[in-house]
Amino acid sequence: SQTIHQWPATLVQPVGSPLSLECTVEGTSNPNLYWYRQAAGRGLQLLFYSVGIGQISSEVPQNLSASRPQDRQFILSSKKLLLSDSGFYLCAWSRADGYTFGSGTRLTVV
Amino acid sequence: AQSVTQPDIHITVSEGASLELRCNYSYGATPYLFWYVQSPGQGLQLLLKYFSGDTLVQGIKGFEAEFKRSQSSFNLRKPSVHWSDAAEYFCAVYHQFYNNNDMRFGAGTRLTVKP
Repeated sequence: SQTIHQWPATLVQPVGSPLSLECTVEGTSNPNLYWYRQAAGRGLQLLFYSVGIGQISSEVPQNLSASRPQDRQFILSSKKLLLSDSGFYLCAWSRADGYTFGSGTRLTVV
Repeated sequence: AQSVTQPDIHITVSEGASLELRCNYSYGATPYLFWYVQSPGQGLQLLLKYFSGDTLVQGIKGFEAEFKRSQSSFNLRKPSVHWSDAAEYFCAVYHQFYNNNDMRFGAGTRLTVKP
């Protein structure tokens, strides 16, 4: 079956520390993958998308980066977190009938 | 510019009452239309979608939505709301001619259900 996994579910990190969030999909090949951020009380902001291994497009300039080392793996990273990086991060995968979302990661930068 | 508008940021309804959440889009042609629901601390779950054909679409959990081309709207409805429907609801549009990054989401409507 086709599923998407995202971890960790919650994360509390100090300002200036690094970040790595991982997303993997199962049951499909060569998926289009996306990272969204949802700030408190706001909608979804597209951060990165990838159409294949090593192919990353960034939607907004920010303190974050993304990588796609394998076909079904999409990683969101930061070298030094800022307070403003706090939020709810969602990985998604596009299918013919719409997007499927991971369960999200709640990141709190303190 | 293409956009998706959900005019209501927050709606409160009583349990058992009917519900309508509004969504309007501005695109040059009819896009694919979606409604997603997000429970607190969770990812987004697809409620229903419209690609073509019958403009009244049925979804999960008793929800339905009607596409009205003349009004560029895709409003979500439910005849009788349950307490478990309290969540945030997102309207989204996707146009097949756009780039791979072009699923656009509204800002969301938070639904509170009173007992």
